Amino acid sequence: TQLLEQSPQFLSIQEGENLTVYCNSSSVFSSLQWYRQEPGEGPVLLVTVVTGGEVKKLKRLTFQFGDARKDSSLHITAAQPGDTGLYLCAGAGESGGSNYKLTFGKGTLLTVNP
Amino acid sequence: NAGVTQTPKFQVLKTGQSMTLQCAQDMNHEYMSWYRQDPGMGLRLIHYSVGAGITDQGEVPNGYNVSRSTTEDFPLRLLSAAPSQTSVYFCASSKGTGVGYTFGSGTRLTVV
Repeated sequence: TQLLEQSPQFLSIQEGENLTVYCNSSSVFSSLQWYRQEPGEGPVLLVTVVTGGEVKKLKRLTFQFGDARKDSSLHITAAQPGDTGLYLCAGAGESGGSNYKLTFGKGTLLTVNP
Repeated sequence: NAGVTQTPKFQVLKTGQSMTLQCAQDMNHEYMSWYRQDPGMGLRLIHYSVGAGITDQGEVPNGYNVSRSTTEDFPLRLLSAAPSQTSVYFCASSKGTGVGYTFGSGTRLTVV
């Protein structure tokens, strides 16, 4: 059983379209992190959300942490080819456990076509 | 700032051989972790450390050993390589809880 479920698993869109990626769990996390990974490289941190209901914006990317701290979403406005990559959500402090251990979802592979 | 440096980038081992994957960070981060990434499985935690001299097991620790003698270094040892350990290995470090990790660029290991 995957602790963090990401959907969709694959997403192929045209440049200029909007999209939302979801990260869901039945467990409560103390924080959720979003990473972006390109082929042959390690994940790169995009954002950390720690408060239920929190919304953070990073240029065209909007991240939201659910009120109950069990889920999160990533919304991209007007996607560009440079947004192509594997998007990973990761939770820390699952159900009051260690904050040092991250649990990752399987990722959403996004392709933005010119 | 080099960040998190992993060596080697690629390695081929024969079944039964042992080796050490090196990881070094120059950011004075207390927390360090090792993950493996496999197709369809995502990133899974192998071992982690919250400071020099302190290590603990993650989700998939069997077949791997770690030690943390300094803040900077966190090597991962494969005791007797098996084909099931073919994977991409990532080392990561963080300065605190809830602030996110910095990842290295990975070691691609093939065990034949």
